[in-house]
Amino acid sequence: EAGVVQSPRYKIIEKKQPVAFWCNPISGHNTLYWYRQNLGQGPELLIRYENEEAVDDSQLPKDRFSAERLKGVDSTLKIQPAELGDSAVYLCASSFRQTSSYNEQFFGPGTRLTVL
Amino acid sequence: QKEVEQNSGPLSVPEGAIASLNCTYSDRVSQSFFWYRQYSGKSPELIMSIYSNGDKEDGRFTAQLNKASQYVSLLIRDSQPSDSATYLCAVNGASGTYKYIFGTGTRLKVLA
Repeated sequence: EAGVVQSPRYKIIEKKQPVAFWCNPISGHNTLYWYRQNLGQGPELLIRYENEEAVDDSQLPKDRFSAERLKGVDSTLKIQPAELGDSAVYLCASSFRQTSSYNEQFFGPGTRLTVL
Repeated sequence: QKEVEQNSGPLSVPEGAIASLNCTYSDRVSQSFFWYRQYSGKSPELIMSIYSNGDKEDGRFTAQLNKASQYVSLLIRDSQPSDSATYLCAVNGASGTYKYIFGTGTRLKVLA
């Protein structure tokens, strides 16, 4: 069974440029998460989707970040414009369903973003 | 107080020894607990989940949960150099949400 797929794996951009990340979750997983991980820190949730619905986007900086999951499968996270502080690893994860706390989530390989 | 706390380490143990990694959490109503291993430059990999008080064993790994003390630990028996990584503790179900909250991780070094 294929795991969570993310692209690109690496991205280097100049500040004020836009950038987009793509994620395809494990087949059959209804819940999709976007996290940001800074060096030496644990992943921090940006947004969580249940199917097409964003059910927790309280930590998403909405002035510059946006996300979509139009058909309830793959998802795109966008930053426009990027700032130096956005340099981090952006992780996508998925789990079967989030109707209880007893769900294991699995991470993709991540996208390492460098903003110059 | 951080919601999920881990000692950042590094924790150094000799090859073949038992490595003990600890995690405390602040929200008493948290329901599920997970340990992830993260190699440098890689993404987190789930290695254990535990939901009930007591011990759960999987190969060389044992997770221990004590909800009364709000404490979860991971024991790695017969530690190998390949176990050298950062171990992240994650908690789900705090404050009645389905949100995973991660600690900052403990860096483990197994010395050959």
